[in-house]
Amino acid sequence: KNEVEQSPQNLTAQEGEFITINCSYSVGISALHWLQQHPGGGIVSLFMLSSGKKKHGRLIATINIQEKHSSLHITASHPRDSAVYICAVRRPDNTDKLIFGTGTRLQVFP
Amino acid sequence: DAGITQSPRHKVTETGTPVTLRCHQTENHRYMYWYRQDPGHGLRLIHYSYGVKDTDKGEVSDGYSVSRSKTEDFLLTLESATSSQTSVYFCAISGRDVGLYGYTFGSGTRLTVV
Repeated sequence: KNEVEQSPQNLTAQEGEFITINCSYSVGISALHWLQQHPGGGIVSLFMLSSGKKKHGRLIATINIQEKHSSLHITASHPRDSAVYICAVRRPDNTDKLIFGTGTRLQVFP
Repeated sequence: DAGITQSPRHKVTETGTPVTLRCHQTENHRYMYWYRQDPGHGLRLIHYSYGVKDTDKGEVSDGYSVSRSKTEDFLLTLESATSSQTSVYFCAISGRDVGLYGYTFGSGTRLTVV
């Protein structure tokens, strides 16, 4: 079993819909990252969370440390949001290494 | 991101040849990482470095070596490339040493071993 699990693996939506991507992890962490990767593109960091909730534009990320679960929400989705969204956790040691989920592929249609 | 660049962006090489990928950063961070990305897998750590001449193995290090002779450069070498090493390789830096806990990734190198 992977230490970081994401769901769903694939997601399609119509423009304007509210999107939720989930991430569960089974190890202790010091922080959780949400990353975005466009097709053929590099990886961009969206959020880093250690507790609570963060918001940036139409993106909202939440984390529940007790339940070992995080969600990424996209409000009023747009075709330009089409990308792979990756959850990654940082272990609570001094290595700063990340453990990655396999990603959620989101396609938003006009 | 201008702070980290990878070269080359694309490479096709033959089985059995050595290949070196370069990661260059301008942020002066100590922490650097090489990951590979394959379908059906999350990014997996190959090697990492905490500073000049201070490197360690990740979970998929077999067949790879690294060197870090300068803070800004982290080189990944495939000693004798195999088809299983066809992948997209990402370099990343972390600003942990200066209290910045975010990650910055390079644009990736797509390597094909034929």
